Amino acid sequence: DAKTTQPNSMESNEEEPVHLPCNHSTISGTDYIHWYRQLPSQGPEYVIHGLTSNVNNRMASLAIAEDRKSSTLILHRATLRDAAVYYCILSPYGQNFVFGPGTRLSVLP
Amino acid sequence: NAGVTQTPKFQVLKTGQSMTLQCAQDMNHEYMSWYRQDPGMGLRLIHYSVGAGITDQGEVPNGYNVSRSTTEDFPLRLLSAAPSQTSVYFCASSYGRPPMNTEAFFGQGTRLTVV
Repeated sequence: DAKTTQPNSMESNEEEPVHLPCNHSTISGTDYIHWYRQLPSQGPEYVIHGLTSNVNNRMASLAIAEDRKSSTLILHRATLRDAAVYYCILSPYGQNFVFGPGTRLSVLP
Repeated sequence: NAGVTQTPKFQVLKTGQSMTLQCAQDMNHEYMSWYRQDPGMGLRLIHYSVGAGITDQGEVPNGYNVSRSTTEDFPLRLLSAAPSQTSVYFCASSYGRPPMNTEAFFGQGTRLTVV
């Protein structure tokens, strides 16, 4: 299975940027990098995904290392609503998503 | 669009009972899947389908059956419920198959308790 490693938990202050790291040292050239988040008592919600280049959307930015062995999800200004579990997932050819325990992000007012 | 709709939201079963968790999507997605999530853990794949009439097993398929007679619906059947199947169940759909260059959409979940 395509494996990722994330810190168990992180804290951030409201309105400050948050950088959530993810290591995926065994990534293959065709594996997409996906990020999802899960708010309390809800289903996972798509955040962003990419392959090689950095990606931006209305929710976040994804910075992918040049060797693709790590990536960082960037929330530009954390809000209380961003408190959630964030999952970094690889999508390899022919394999389904494998969810790890993710990073629990706490946002302090 | 309603997205991915799961019913029921909550269910309590007695050991040995059977039931079907419903999942429907209105986005014409070919790929659908079922996950379970136990407390404090990530999601684990139960079964998935790459299109109508095609299903396959995931990581934890024992005790569950699926079928895919239409593109829209992907029901999950518990044949004889056991307390170990107490969990929150999520259905997901996406336009593409892995490797996924599109987003996956998840339902709001069904919280199942087996007593």
